[in-house]
Amino acid sequence: DAGITQSPRYKITETGRQVTLMCHQTWSHSYMFWYRQDLGHGLRLIYYSAAADITDKGEVPDGYVVSRSKTENFPLTLESATRSQTSVYFCASSESTGFAEAFFGQGTRLTVV
Amino acid sequence: GDSVTQMEGPVTLSEEAFLTINCTYTATGYPSLFWYVQYPGEGLQLLLKATKADDKGSNKGFEATYRKETTSFHLEKGSVQVSDSAVYFCALTLNYGGATNKLIFGTGTLLAVQP
Repeated sequence: DAGITQSPRYKITETGRQVTLMCHQTWSHSYMFWYRQDLGHGLRLIYYSAAADITDKGEVPDGYVVSRSKTENFPLTLESATRSQTSVYFCASSESTGFAEAFFGQGTRLTVV
Repeated sequence: GDSVTQMEGPVTLSEEAFLTINCTYTATGYPSLFWYVQYPGEGLQLLLKATKADDKGSNKGFEATYRKETTSFHLEKGSVQVSDSAVYFCALTLNYGGATNKLIFGTGTLLAVQP
């Protein structure tokens, strides 16, 4: 299917475990982003990528790792999950200009217990 | 740093009422401005955008004008419907030089429209 897809949609994990959230887009967009959405904070940028093998930190990168070996995939890994990382995570992609619309996935609701 | 500030919600209106959601920004350069909408259980989708001063973005009866002098991009709609109930996010993008292109969001405003 064309578009941007995230998996899983829902995930429950235990404190200290490693968990990876997947993001896949079919448009070959240059830019990809990971955001977390929390009540009272809106969307906060975790990491972003301008192209394959180019990634950079956003506003709240601590505790997260990203990679982008292929243009279409941008996985987000929580190395050792903490309860403060309980959130809804959104992946997005856009073309390379600052005027371009960002397309969002459906989100992954992660609960760390 | 660069940021977006939008009015606190929730905003509760009756059907056919006039809507304004305020948004102001702080930016070191010349941003592009966006309004995104999030319906319950879904991801965000673009509602409208404006790329330079005095541009007006419009879509589905919503409008917003890029005001450089007041650094604002307020969202308006003349007559809201129940189906407009959603969370609305103001956002900006800036080119930071090189290959960077960050999209920065406000905290979101929940709109609830009652029949």
